[in-house]
Amino acid sequence: AQSVTQLDSQVPVFEEAPVELRCNYSSSVSVYLFWYVQYPNQGLQLLLKYLSGSTLVKGINGFEAEFNKSQTSFHLRKPSVHISDTAEYFCAVSLPSSNTGKLIFGQGTTLQVKP
Amino acid sequence: EAGVTQFPSHSVIEKGQTVTLRCDPISGHDNLYWYRRVMGKEIKFLLHFVKESKQDESGMPNNRFLAERTGGTYSTLKVQPAELEDSGVYFCASSPAGGVASYNEQFFGPGTRLTVL
Repeated sequence: AQSVTQLDSQVPVFEEAPVELRCNYSSSVSVYLFWYVQYPNQGLQLLLKYLSGSTLVKGINGFEAEFNKSQTSFHLRKPSVHISDTAEYFCAVSLPSSNTGKLIFGQGTTLQVKP
Repeated sequence: EAGVTQFPSHSVIEKGQTVTLRCDPISGHDNLYWYRRVMGKEIKFLLHFVKESKQDESGMPNNRFLAERTGGTYSTLKVQPAELEDSGVYFCASSPAGGVASYNEQFFGPGTRLTVL
């Protein structure tokens, strides 16, 4: 079975500082990897995804993530955060072999950007 | 273009009552998913529709939950009778047809917060 672990439940950071949100997954088969963000009172929105190819993936709002197969990690980074990045971030996987596309989520990380 | 909408946004019911949640996917999206997040836990998959057919309902907790998608448009998720442990946020998501479902972007609604007292 697959599982996703987000190592930090909350990450406080000052505005304009860099941030890394950590995500590790467990799977005996290949997976696709996703990061979603949920702003207050909104649905989840896709930030970026890794399907294949270059291990460095760039997403919206200046975020990027790097797939590391040997460490089974997919950490999310941003070099300089804004107040507006305050939200909850979810790492998720799906199975390429699946015919459903269901997502398996981590527990979420709340990013708190302070002025 | 309208996004995924869910109704109601909040619902508070007594244990033993029935509640029906509704999801309207993005027009033309054949894939429709239901997920649930119990407080403090991860978001978990409940089931997946392709048009009006249930493709995967492996995440449905028990037979108190019934999902339908009449005509392949909107979907309802009924909980009958509701129990305390059913409290949580229920998310609906949709994605377009074609390609491989597992890498299509899923578009999420804002969720329905269900509280069972």
